[in-house]
Amino acid sequence: SQTIHQWPATLVQPVGSPLSLECTVEGTSNPNLYWYRQAAGRGLQLLFYSVGIGQISSEVPQNLSASRPQDRQFILSSKKLLLSDSGFYLCAWRAGRGGQYFGPGTRLTVL
Amino acid sequence: GIQVEQSPPDLILQEGANSTLRCNFSDSVNNLQWFHQNPWGQLINLFYIPSGTKQNGRLSATTVATERYSLLYISSSQTTDSGVYFCAVLKADRGSTLGRLYFGRGTQLTVWP
Repeated sequence: SQTIHQWPATLVQPVGSPLSLECTVEGTSNPNLYWYRQAAGRGLQLLFYSVGIGQISSEVPQNLSASRPQDRQFILSSKKLLLSDSGFYLCAWRAGRGGQYFGPGTRLTVL
Repeated sequence: GIQVEQSPPDLILQEGANSTLRCNFSDSVNNLQWFHQNPWGQLINLFYIPSGTKQNGRLSATTVATERYSLLYISSSQTTDSGVYFCAVLKADRGSTLGRLYFGRGTQLTVWP
């Protein structure tokens, strides 16, 4: 069966510091991978998606970037965090036109 | 993009009550999913339902794709049903598996003992 991992689970970082969040998927090949952010107030915002190694599409231009160095690894990064980057970051995967499945999330607080 | 509207935005129930959550969407879609976000933030897949009716225990869902809406029914609600329920629709590019989910803003359900 497929599983999706995210780490760290929680993170507190100062403004201006770098960021690296990692997501890995097991049990599937060549999945579509997604990064979402959920700020206070419930809405989920799609940040990036990838259909293959090295292929990244950005939905919203901002202070973040994503990379996919391996088939089942998706990384979200920032060179300098802003206060507005605080939120709950969720990674998700989908194979073909099937259902989409989410990881446990990383709660980021920027102080 | 596709507009997804969920109603009601908030719902408070006594344990044992039944409820219906609604999801309307603005365009034809390839698929529709219902999720439950628990208090720890985890998004749990409830249903993958492009059309028709599915049941899983006390929960069931119906999607009428031609009329662009879906309903989630919760019967005999329990305190563990509390959380946010999201509807999301998939719109894929023609002839491709590439697509994205469009989320509604969710229904916050609170079930009191």
